[in-house]
Order: sequence, then C-alpha cells, then structure tokens
Amino acid sequence: RKEVEQDPGPFNVPEGATVAFNCTYSNSASQSFFWYRQDCRKEPKLLMSVYSSGNEDGRFTAQLNRASQYISLLIRDSKLSDSATYLCVVNREGTSYGKLTFGQGTILTVHP
Amino acid sequence: EPEVTQTPSHQVTQMGQEVILRCVPISNHLYFYWYRQILGQKVEFLVSFYNNEISEKSEIFDDQFSVERPDGSNFTLKIRSTKLEDSAMYFCASIKGVGQNSYEQYFGPGTRLTVT
Repeated sequence: RKEVEQDPGPFNVPEGATVAFNCTYSNSASQSFFWYRQDCRKEPKLLMSVYSSGNEDGRFTAQLNRASQYISLLIRDSKLSDSATYLCVVNREGTSYGKLTFGQGTILTVHP
Repeated sequence: EPEVTQTPSHQVTQMGQEVILRCVPISNHLYFYWYRQILGQKVEFLVSFYNNEISEKSEIFDDQFSVERPDGSNFTLKIRSTKLEDSAMYFCASIKGVGQNSYEQYFGPGTRLTVT
C-alpha cells in the first residue's frame, strides 16, 4: 500500500463548481497533515494544515479522520486560478519536524 | 513575506561532474530539508538537517550527496558525480521549529538540474 494515496484525476470542473479531493495514508502514527498546491514546474505551496477538528480557510475546507486514515479537501465556488495539482502531504510519525511524504497529487482544471 | 530562495534556477551539467545547489532558508527557521521531484513524479524527501547535522536521510541520499550549512544563511546540496538519473527539480524547504505553526514547511522555487 502506498504511504499516501490520492485519486490522480484529472478533475475538470466549471467555474463555480464544488470539488472534493480525497487522500488516504498508511501510517497510523502520522502526526501532521497538509494540503499543498503545485502549479506546473513550480514549488509546492502550503495551502492549509489539516486538523482533527476540521478547518476552513475561505472557500477551502479540510477534514481529517484519524480512525479511517483519511484526509479530504473541499473547494467551493471554484475559480480559474484554482487550476493546479493538489498534493496531500503527511508528516512521519514521532516528530512534527521530520520529512514530509507526498502523494502523487490530484490534477484540477477549472474551465470557464 | 520571508521566502526560501534557491540558486541557480536551472543548472545543466555533464554526467560525472560535481554540482552544488544553493538555498537560503527563511532567516529564523531552524530545520532545513532537500527534496527532489523527477518530471511527472511525486516529490521525494532527500535529507533533513538540524543543529548543523543530518537528522534523517532517504535511500536516495547516498554517498554521492552531501549537505552543508557553511555560514548562518546558506544551505547547500552537493552531488559529487552526477548521473543521468539525477536530473530532477530540487527543492529546499525550511520550518520554524518553534512557536505557532512551527512544523509547516515552506519550499523554495527549486533548481532544475539537467544532467546530459
């Protein structure tokens, strides 16, 4: 089983749509969870950290289910500028300062 | 807003040559990392560095690789004898390590290494 698994997509949605991405991770002792976005040939940029209680930042909502080892990201009212690859990222067990393990990424294209 | 910077943005080298990739982490950050991403593949961890020593390294980070923090600002990745399969985007990252959101990693823009 992959350490971090995502649906690669691609997701093609119209502007204004709501889209959800899912991710599972294999290591139950993982400490920290993140969503990053990556534009073509650019660096990963932190979108948001994911907390057990769930968290929201504007149009973006992230959820974590530790029991199911499942992370989700919901994007409401999609914009053209949301087109990117969304990376589910997990920090290894034992420390919050250790390496990040990345999923393959989910490609999102928002069209007019 | 403080950023991680990396130089050069693109490096072309011949197989067998040594390359040094440079990074300037965010100034008050304490933990530093190198990752790489081969075109079309996922981002992979190479090495983490804290308190002037390697904290952890991956299987990729073999004897051909080394890291150094030669002064208070730069953090370098050296590949001693490059191979074709070292062609990738190399990202430097850093985290605060203390305080709020201390574990959030911020990435530099990357160096694209092409080995011919």
